[in-house]
Amino acid sequence: GAVVSQHPSWVICKSGTSVKIECRSLDFQATTMFWYRQFPKQSLMLMATSNEGSKATYEQGVEKDKFLINHASLTLSTLTVTSAHPEDSSFYICSVPTPGGDEQFFGPGTRLTVL
Amino acid sequence: GQQVMQIPQYQHVQEGEDFTTYCNSSTTLSNIQWYKQRPGGHPVFLIQLVKSGEVKKQKRLTFQFGEAKKNSSLHITATQTTDVGTYFCAFTGANSKLTFGKGITLSVRP
Repeated sequence: GAVVSQHPSWVICKSGTSVKIECRSLDFQATTMFWYRQFPKQSLMLMATSNEGSKATYEQGVEKDKFLINHASLTLSTLTVTSAHPEDSSFYICSVPTPGGDEQFFGPGTRLTVL
Repeated sequence: GQQVMQIPQYQHVQEGEDFTTYCNSSTTLSNIQWYKQRPGGHPVFLIQLVKSGEVKKQKRLTFQFGEAKKNSSLHITATQTTDVGTYFCAFTGANSKLTFGKGITLSVRP
């Protein structure tokens, strides 16, 4: 069964609105989760590391005030795209690293379309 | 920073043919991972290699880590239509962060 879930699986919103995406680790607790963005026919780009109990760390070029990350519990991280614009339309995927290992389990992704 | 290169980005094969793709780095890697992403899907972990010269097999898939730990290969024997998808190599750096290559999208003609 699924190890990581994401909700919603897809969302369409108007420009200027905010969208919240949830990522849940179903099988184990995760003090760290990762958020990626994938544009069509491109690779996955790490956006930020979600840390339970502390602030998220963002990759260079990712606006922390635009992509708000909250690691609410050991099994839940949320990504909020604030004031979304068409250029934010993308496939957002979270991942959870296995405890003590390098393997990462990816969520099914959320396809965001901003009109 | 460290990067991995995957060239070409697309490859088309006839069903039944073998397929090999490579992942190259200019620096030594501590590990290499391979993921498969089906069209419309999310990446799924296939394998991790950590030792110099390591070879691992999964049914028709053979993965190899180079002796210098700067390159890796994925070989598929007798491709099937179920092998269609994008194959990414990736490595973990500091804080378990994964860095992905651009991937190679494999299409298989039945």
